[in-house]
Amino acid sequence: AQSVAQPEDQVNVAEGNPLTVKCTYSVSGNPYLFWYVQYPNRGLQFLLKYITGDNLVKGSYGFEAEFNKSQTSFHLKKPSALVSDSALYFCAVRARTYKYIFGTGTRLKVLA
Amino acid sequence: SAVISQKPSRDICQRGTSLTIQCQVDSQVTMMFWYRQQPGQSLTLIATANQGSEATYESGFVIDKFPISRPNLTFSTLTVSNMSPEDSSIYLCGLDSGGSLDEQFFGPGTRLTVL
Repeated sequence: AQSVAQPEDQVNVAEGNPLTVKCTYSVSGNPYLFWYVQYPNRGLQFLLKYITGDNLVKGSYGFEAEFNKSQTSFHLKKPSALVSDSALYFCAVRARTYKYIFGTGTRLKVLA
Repeated sequence: SAVISQKPSRDICQRGTSLTIQCQVDSQVTMMFWYRQQPGQSLTLIATANQGSEATYESGFVIDKFPISRPNLTFSTLTVSNMSPEDSSIYLCGLDSGGSLDEQFFGPGTRLTVL
C-alpha cells in the first residue's frame, strides 16, 4: 500500500538557521513526490515536485528538496529560514494514478 | 496555473441540514477532486468528479452523504448532507494541471462548522 510519513508534527527553527522538514514514502514503482504549504485560512500552495532527473529539486520561496531513493525520503530544506515560512507543510506521493496520498503535515514555526 | 475559487469560504450550520459548496475554475479541466481536511489532520480524497459521468467515491465516502455535480468542465459542487458535528472540516476542491506537469492545484477551501 502507498503511504507517506511525516514523522514530526512540529519543527521549530530560529530565523536565519537552515530548516529541514522530513518526509518518507512507500510506493511501488517510481514515485512522483510533492511538497505543498498551507498558510492559515488558505488553500494548499504547490512548492516543488520530483518526477525524474536530478535528486535535488528547487522550488518556490527558496525551498528545495532532496530525493533519496535508497532511503525512500524526500526531505524539504531551506538554507535560511524566515518568520514568514511559518506554516503547515504537506508531503504527498503519487504513483501510477492521479490520486495523491498526503502525509499528516508538519507545522513549521520560525522564531524571530 | 488555473485560478480556483470556492463558495462559501466558511459557514456555520446546524445539525441535520445540508450545505452545497461550489468550485469554479477559470479554465476547462478534465478531472476535479474533492478533499476533506479534518481539524489537525491531513487531506483525504472524497471523490473524483469528471464531467459527463458520475463521481467516483473513495472508500468510506458515499454518494448519499456527499453528492457531487459536475455540469461542465469549469464547475463542480459538493453537498454535505444531513450534517453532524463530525462533518466539521475544511473542504477543498482540486484539479490536475494536466500535461506533463503533474501537480494538482487547490482551491482556498471552505471551512465548515456544524453545531
